[in-house]
Amino acid sequence: SAVISQKPSRDICQRGTSLTIQCQVDSQVTMMFWYRQQPGQSLTLIATANQGSEATYESGFVIDKFPISRPNLTFSTLTVSNMSPEDSSIYLCSVEVSGDQPQHFGDGTRLSIL
Amino acid sequence: QKEVEQDPGPLSVPEGAIVSLNCTYSNSAFQYFMWYRQYSRKGPELLMYTYSSGNKEDGRFTAQVDKSSKYISLFIRDSQPSDSATYLCAMSAPKAAGNKLTFGGGTRVLVKP
Repeated sequence: SAVISQKPSRDICQRGTSLTIQCQVDSQVTMMFWYRQQPGQSLTLIATANQGSEATYESGFVIDKFPISRPNLTFSTLTVSNMSPEDSSIYLCSVEVSGDQPQHFGDGTRLSIL
Repeated sequence: QKEVEQDPGPLSVPEGAIVSLNCTYSNSAFQYFMWYRQYSRKGPELLMYTYSSGNKEDGRFTAQVDKSSKYISLFIRDSQPSDSATYLCAMSAPKAAGNKLTFGGGTRVLVKP
């Protein structure tokens, strides 16, 4: 399976600031996704990162708050904008290597907002 | 009601016992079923991936899917302390309907030496 690297692995940020999280894969993949895992909770899909076009957001998530880029088949970024304490979560990148394969996850970015 | 229900546990078993985990779901469109293991401070790691109904075995792990009952299970034989983790079930509809994974809430498992 693909090796997925996320940066940073953790961060502590001030209220009102923004943070960009990077997801790098060691091989080309068809699909890339961003999930949120709130403390003690399961995973919720934020959006599908589409290469060369705007991301597809799930209900409850908007582009102004979570802008996403995917410039090529191995890299994507998620920005968490104008952060508040409610944004304190683990943010996870996942990939599908090909259409008939399951998703594999990175180790996530642990974000705390003060 | 959540689309996917999973007992949060914790489930505590002695080393060597069989661990039995399960999820129920309500969306009959789900056809792909996965089990992930998540250790503390790590991302989910894929354990099993099955399509439609039936059984699949991989080493000490057996996954079962019963679509008629909307019920999936994961069995871990000869459990080890290293199996202590949170186990997440996940499922999705056919690719043409999108690639969204819907997760259960996760079950914490503790295997005691």
